[in-house]
Amino acid sequence: NAGVTQTPKFQVLKTGQSMTLQCAQDMNHNSMYWYRQDPGMGLRLIYYSASEGTTDKGEVPNGYNVSRLNKREFSLRLESAAPSQTSVYFCASSDRGASSPLHFGNGTRLTVT
Amino acid sequence: GDSVTQMEGPVTLSEEAFLTINCTYTATGYPSLFWYVQYPGEGLQLLLKATKADDKGSNKGFEATYRKETTSFHLEKGSVQVSDSAVYFCALSVNTGGFKTIFGAGTRLFVKA
Repeated sequence: NAGVTQTPKFQVLKTGQSMTLQCAQDMNHNSMYWYRQDPGMGLRLIYYSASEGTTDKGEVPNGYNVSRLNKREFSLRLESAAPSQTSVYFCASSDRGASSPLHFGNGTRLTVT
Repeated sequence: GDSVTQMEGPVTLSEEAFLTINCTYTATGYPSLFWYVQYPGEGLQLLLKATKADDKGSNKGFEATYRKETTSFHLEKGSVQVSDSAVYFCALSVNTGGFKTIFGAGTRLFVKA
């Protein structure tokens, strides 16, 4: 029962470097999401994909890009990392419908120096 | 816009004490409401949910009732245990072209033996 798998678990970048966070789910969910978690701010939606082939901006999309590679995989790319992007990043997936709960990965802790 | 407000923490209780974590929301339409729990080093996991007014969600001794008239979804447990120490997030999900989930800032609970 893998659920939602994120890689890597930890990453340190220098300002200006790029990286891609990987996410895969094995629950056949249509929708996938990327959130960031910062102290005292809860989770904020970066991008989401309601179904394969579609992506949309969330609350805080600036500085990020995403790719819904197939139904299972949804990646998040930082093209030029900034210290403000230091955060814990969570990928999640869900079935269709507002009543369907999110299933989360264990997160990627990113530090940008 | 849609939003969730929950009581600030941390909340510190002794084992077997009664727990209430307040949550109120603002939403257009008829959201589904959720409580998620996050243990250290892990992603969020669903604790309970309610999808319409007057529904009561329950799980592991925790309960919350969807109160449309007061736009609230307060989390309660009659007797907390040390193992309940975690961060609790109230959330709502609405259909806005995609099913986006909006989170409160989280409430950290410490339970002392």
